[in-house]
Parts: sequence; C-alpha cells; structure tokens
Amino acid sequence: AQRVTQPEKLLSVFKGAPVELKCNYSYSGSPELFWYVQYSRQRLQLLLRHISRESIKGFTADLNKGETSFHLKKPFAQEEDSAMYYCALSGISGGFKTIFGAGTRLFVKA
Amino acid sequence: DAGVIQSPRHEVTEMGQEVTLRCKPISGHDYLFWYRQTMMRGLELLIYFNNNVPIDDSGMPEDRFSAKMPNASFSTLKIQPSEPRDSAVYFCASSWTGPGNTIYFGEGSWLTVV
Repeated sequence: AQRVTQPEKLLSVFKGAPVELKCNYSYSGSPELFWYVQYSRQRLQLLLRHISRESIKGFTADLNKGETSFHLKKPFAQEEDSAMYYCALSGISGGFKTIFGAGTRLFVKA
Repeated sequence: DAGVIQSPRHEVTEMGQEVTLRCKPISGHDYLFWYRQTMMRGLELLIYFNNNVPIDDSGMPEDRFSAKMPNASFSTLKIQPSEPRDSAVYFCASSWTGPGNTIYFGEGSWLTVV
C-alpha cells in the first residue's frame, strides 16, 4: 500500500539554524513527490515539487529513491518559516490520487 | 478566480444530525478531492473525482459518509448521522490533468460534533 511517513510531529529550531523535515514514502511505482505548507490562517499551498528541482524560499528537497525519502531542507531557518509542512505522494497507479503524510509543525524560535 | 470555495466555514452540530459540506472547485479543474485533517492522523484523502466521476473512495471512513459531484462546479460531502469522532477540518481541493500539477485547497470547513 502507498504511504507517506513524516516521523516528527513537531520540530523546533533556532533562527539561523539548519532545518530538515523528514519524509519517507512507500510506493512501488514511479513517485511524484511534493511538499505543501500551511502558514497560520492561510490555505494549504504547494511549496515545491521534486520534478522541478527548484528552491523555494530557500527550501530544497531531493528525491532519494534508494532510501525512498524526500526530505525538505533549508540551511538557515527564518521565523517566517514557522508553519505546518506536509509531504505528498501523487501519481499513484498512474492516476492523480494524492496522499499526504501526517505533517510536521516547524517552529522557528527567535 | 476566488480559488476553491467551501461552505460552511464553521459548523457545530449535535451528534446524530446530518451535516452537509459544500465545495466549488476552481473553474476548469477536472479533479476534485475531499480531505480530512485531524491532529492525530494529519491529512487523510477521503475521496476524489475526475470529471465528476468518483475514482477512489477507499478513504471514506464508513457508510455514514457520502460524497457527490453533480456537475463540474459543485460537490458535497455528507455525514449522516454525525458522531463526535467526525470532528475535524474538512478540505476540498481541485486540480487539473497532468503530471506534477498543483492541488489547490479551499480554506476548509471546521466541523465540531457535540
């Protein structure tokens, strides 16, 4: 069965410190992976997708098929990065079914 | 476009009552998703539609839950009868065909069943 695992419910770091939000997936096919973010009082929105290999707001994520991981990283956390982050897996069974992990709340302390 | 529109934004109801949540997807989108968000389980996919047809409802908790999409611009999620454990935020989201495309979420419907 397909599954997305985010092992940390809460991650707290100091401003300027590196941050890594972990995501592991279970899927036998070719995965399409995304990170979504939900800032306070805002809608859940796309942060980045693995096929674009982009850096958004200083965040990057590399798909590691060997480790079935898609960890989100940022070298220097900012207070405005405090939010709920969800890892998502799409393209299941060649369709558009998209499932999410349980989410990690990132808290960046001043 | 105003984005995905959900109503009601907040609903408090008594156990046993019927609850109907409504969603208007973004015009032109052919995929519509219903998710449920709880502290314990995060964001769970309940059901999704493609061109108004339900494709996968394996996430629907039980027969008390039902979803319909009578046309491309409207969908409902109904809970009958409601129970306290149904209390959650229910999100509707939409997207369009194609790999790597973005899912756009509504603001959510906060349901409390007492």
